Amino acid sequence: QVQLVQSGGGVVQPGGSLRLSCVSSGFTFSAYGFHWVRKAPGKGLEWVTFIPYHENTKYYADSVQGRFTISKDNSRNTLYLQMNILRAEDTAVYYCAKLAGSGPDVFDLWGQGTMVTVSS
Amino acid sequence: QSVLTQPPSASGTPGQRVTISCSGSSSNIGSRTVNWYQHLPGTAPKLLINNNDQRPSGVPDRFSGSKSGTSASLAISGLQSEDEADYYCAAWDDSLNGVVFGGGTKLTVL
Repeated sequence: QVQLVQSGGGVVQPGGSLRLSCVSSGFTFSAYGFHWVRKAPGKGLEWVTFIPYHENTKYYADSVQGRFTISKDNSRNTLYLQMNILRAEDTAVYYCAKLAGSGPDVFDLWGQGTMVTVSS
Repeated sequence: QSVLTQPPSASGTPGQRVTISCSGSSSNIGSRTVNWYQHLPGTAPKLLINNNDQRPSGVPDRFSGSKSGTSASLAISGLQSEDEADYYCAAWDDSLNGVVFGGGTKLTVL
């Protein structure tokens, strides 16, 4: 079954860290690029970060640059998002999303989402 | 403030046709293709239109997309109650080196 299954969300204090995981199945994980997208309460979708299939360059939104790190483990078919120095404004549902093909912005498969709450 | 501009809300009655606009700039819509996503609360977003006007397999032909210059539109004909959702346009931005989303349009079926 073609799917992305997420885990790792939760409640963390400001300044803390959290790692999200996104496990894939049903397709060749190493052949695709992936993004993380988030939706804060009452707000719209916000792009967070992108890792191409070749992993040579990674892209980050200004709001998370230097604090978040995207990575993928092809042997485990797993995408990660390491989030450090978390802030209240990082509170959101985080989605991993698979690219459809060679272009950088068509997401044809999404994870179910995982909630991250940054609060003291 | 989102890089792409969408109306916050839209509405229509069953059977009607509604359109949702998306306005950008030369660094995103003007030089790139536009994609549209449908998002129901509590679920994962779903790709509705890619590359301006292409419907992925399984998306009803009631949904259509178009692009002109730095603007794009999503049209939904034969409106159904199940179409009530949030709709987002998105595109790659060459200046920001990332994906930009519109603020989202909440569609209400009256």
